Amino acid sequence: EAQVTQNPRYLITVTGKKLTVTCSQNMNHEYMSWYRQDPGLGLRQIYYSMNVEVTDKGDVPEGYKVSRKEKRNFPLILESPSPNQTSLYFCASRRQGANGYTFGSGTRLTVV
Amino acid sequence: AQRVTQPEKLLSVFKGAPVELKCNYSYSGSPELFWYVQYSRQRLQLLLRHISRESIKGFTADLNKGETSFHLKKPFAQEEDSAMYYCALSSGGSNYKLTFGKGTLLTVNP
Repeated sequence: EAQVTQNPRYLITVTGKKLTVTCSQNMNHEYMSWYRQDPGLGLRQIYYSMNVEVTDKGDVPEGYKVSRKEKRNFPLILESPSPNQTSLYFCASRRQGANGYTFGSGTRLTVV
Repeated sequence: AQRVTQPEKLLSVFKGAPVELKCNYSYSGSPELFWYVQYSRQRLQLLLRHISRESIKGFTADLNKGETSFHLKKPFAQEEDSAMYYCALSSGGSNYKLTFGKGTLLTVNP
């Protein structure tokens, strides 16, 4: 089944403890992106990648890092999480030239 | 810069009534417009894209370049249509950046 898989689905952590949220797609899509969803703010793009080893900042990149060493994986790294990064995170992918994006199920992160 | 505006945060209608969710965009080039739906904080699902001009679950949307709008319409709302709806714009080209509106929460009352 074609899908975007995020792990974990839920995560509670403490301020300052490094964490990684994984994202993997099995559709050979070139483009991948991370979004955070917050009440009243909708979805905002954190980082995106147009292909392997090509990444760029979105609208709210502060406090996040990404890497794209393989086409299928696009992990989101929080080196020193803070409470304002408590949010619902979505990974998405898209094939170059295609319409529409496929989204993962989301990761609900709580930083205390 | 690209921007998507959904002027209504909340929209409440009765079952069987027509519904229209508004979306306006700002973009200098030729955009791709989408509507996504999210049920109870689940994953976002693609509902419509303007290029395909299809009708999904009774919803339609027409791109009006003159008014820079892409409103979502359904003639007879159903209770199962209750969800969060996001309008989104893609700049296309090699970037494919997808910019979302802030969403409209649609509630269909029995």
